[in-house]
Amino acid sequence: NAGVTQTPKFQVLKTGQSMTLQCAQDMNHNSMYWYRQDPGMGLRLIYYSASEGTTDKGEVPNGYNVSRLNKREFSLRLESAAPSQTSVYFCASSEVGGLGGNTIYFGEGSWLTVV
Amino acid sequence: GQQLNQSPQSMFIQEGEDVSMNCTSSSIFNTWLWYKQEPGEGPVLLIALYKAGELTSNGRLTAQFGITRKDSFLNISASIPSDVGIYFCAGGGGSQGNLIFGKGTKLSVKP
Repeated sequence: NAGVTQTPKFQVLKTGQSMTLQCAQDMNHNSMYWYRQDPGMGLRLIYYSASEGTTDKGEVPNGYNVSRLNKREFSLRLESAAPSQTSVYFCASSEVGGLGGNTIYFGEGSWLTVV
Repeated sequence: GQQLNQSPQSMFIQEGEDVSMNCTSSSIFNTWLWYKQEPGEGPVLLIALYKAGELTSNGRLTAQFGITRKDSFLNISASIPSDVGIYFCAGGGGSQGNLIFGKGTKLSVKP
């Protein structure tokens, strides 16, 4: 039972490089999310997709783009990586469309270092 | 925007002791969730609360949704070494519409 799967697990980038984090869920959930986790900051929402075909900005969207490829997949792209984007990134999904009050399930995380 | 205050920030306890942590907010939430995160892993859902006053247990874990809808607590009874990790609360369905996370309580258990 895979749940939420994200790749890669670890990545090192040089400043200015681009990369895409991939995420897929097999729970037939409508909503998907990307969070970043930094020491002392907790989990902060980057972007979310309430349903297939829609995306919205979260708390910290600058420097990122997302694509909801289909119901299962939601990717996060860094067009020009910066050291401030060094973080742990978590993809998540929830059953019901929208964010309010829905239980979300997380992937195992992607550790990204920008040098 | 909405914020959650989670306390304590960290706890160092002896195996067998009970643990209590809580989250408070100045805003009302419709859902309270508690997650546990172990090193190198993503947060895993422990308990979900959907109704004010609700008290829910999951094994040695008990969580309550405060009557005012502005707080929640998590208790762990008879702690064991595998309880080690960071516990996050999250409030959902508030005025901001999205799930708000506390900054976590880091639990260390001494055998």
